[in-house]
Amino acid sequence: EAGVAQSPRYKIIEKRQSVAFWCNPISGHATLYWYQQILGQGPKLLIQFQNNGVVDDSQLPKDRFSAERLKGVDSTLKIQPAKLEDSAVYLCASSADRAYYEQYFGPGTRLTVT
Amino acid sequence: GENVEQHPSTLSVQEGDSAVIKCTYSDSASNYFPWYKQELGKRPQLIIDIRSNVGEKKDQRIAVTLNKTAKHFSLHITETQPEDSAVYFCAASEEGNTPLVFGKGTRLSVIA
Repeated sequence: EAGVAQSPRYKIIEKRQSVAFWCNPISGHATLYWYQQILGQGPKLLIQFQNNGVVDDSQLPKDRFSAERLKGVDSTLKIQPAKLEDSAVYLCASSADRAYYEQYFGPGTRLTVT
Repeated sequence: GENVEQHPSTLSVQEGDSAVIKCTYSDSASNYFPWYKQELGKRPQLIIDIRSNVGEKKDQRIAVTLNKTAKHFSLHITETQPEDSAVYFCAASEEGNTPLVFGKGTRLSVIA
């Protein structure tokens, strides 16, 4: 099966600018996650979608981050305005809707805020 | 919420030796424990996982053990090879489609 796709792979922006990331999950996967991975740390959940509904966004900095998953397939994550501390790799993952699951990760988008 | 601690942060072994990475978790409701391997600049890849109804699981040179009473689980790699060099992450979650809580990672270096 095709994997999780993400774009762009790399992005460099200045602080206070805005940026958007795109994710296309594995076909048929109902659950989609966005994780933030800061250099030297493990991924940290930002938001979880089940189909097109938000399940968990408790760790999403809602004053600057937003995400949507229209039609329950592709998802976009936006940062506006960006801060220096947002420099990280943004990973998208998806999983099938069943009791025992595996999360499949995309290649990530490396964001550098200068 | 769940908190996962992982040790050591770095590990160097000679080729052919074994490597052990240990994790502890805090939430007794967690019952799914995957291990991911992440090579430099690449996505995390699942290498093995274990669920709370199992104490040990093996897949060729890789094994994972789980002690639910003590809330810790470990990754064992035997006969290490240079291509095993990567960052390894443990994670924990409750059953079903719940988010993973990751440890901070262990950078494993296998010296030829």
